[in-house]
Amino acid sequence: DQQVKQNSPSLSVQEGRISILNCDYTNSMFDYFLWYKKYPAEGPTFLISISSIKDKNEDGRFTVFLNKSAKHLSLHIVPSQPGDSAVYFCAASAQTNAGKSTFGDGTTLTVKP
Amino acid sequence: EAQVTQNPRYLITVTGKKLTVTCSQNMNHEYMSWYRQDPGLGLRQIYYSMNVEVTDKGDVPEGYKVSRKEKRNFPLILESPSPNQTSLYFCASSLFGGGVSSPLHFGNGTRLTVT
Repeated sequence: DQQVKQNSPSLSVQEGRISILNCDYTNSMFDYFLWYKKYPAEGPTFLISISSIKDKNEDGRFTVFLNKSAKHLSLHIVPSQPGDSAVYFCAASAQTNAGKSTFGDGTTLTVKP
Repeated sequence: EAQVTQNPRYLITVTGKKLTVTCSQNMNHEYMSWYRQDPGLGLRQIYYSMNVEVTDKGDVPEGYKVSRKEKRNFPLILESPSPNQTSLYFCASSLFGGGVSSPLHFGNGTRLTVT
């Protein structure tokens, strides 16, 4: 039972356009959600997060939206840049069990110049 | 520089030969964790440690051991490796667990091949 799903293995967008990466979860106990970015031959790095008491969090070009009723979150990158090309992982955890983090399979984003 | 250091980066071994992958962090983080990444399966948690001498199983702990004798180190031990443990392994640390206020810092990974 995969509790965090990223249904799109890959996404390709043109430089300057918006990239939208999606993530769905099934566990209603999850109340922390994070996005990590991973370049080849490196470990994932933290990008942006949101707690369940919010529905939006913005940091520069990156915005995460959370729809609790739909158990869905999305990452918007505007405008997309070639340097954003990477694998993006969605992760979730519950405050009641903060030691366990559950990750999605990742979405490979390619931003074309 | 604040970092999580894993060693080795690459390791090829044979079935049944005990091995240890080391992990060290210099950020005085309470929490550390191990993950494996396999194609199509994302990052799966193996073990985690909320503090020194406290370890707990993640989602895929079978075949692995860990210890947390001091805050900065969290080695991953494979007592008798098998080919299904061939994977890319990541160590991570954070202030307290991996929640919103405490994102994970990852090492650069260890690619393990068991033949």
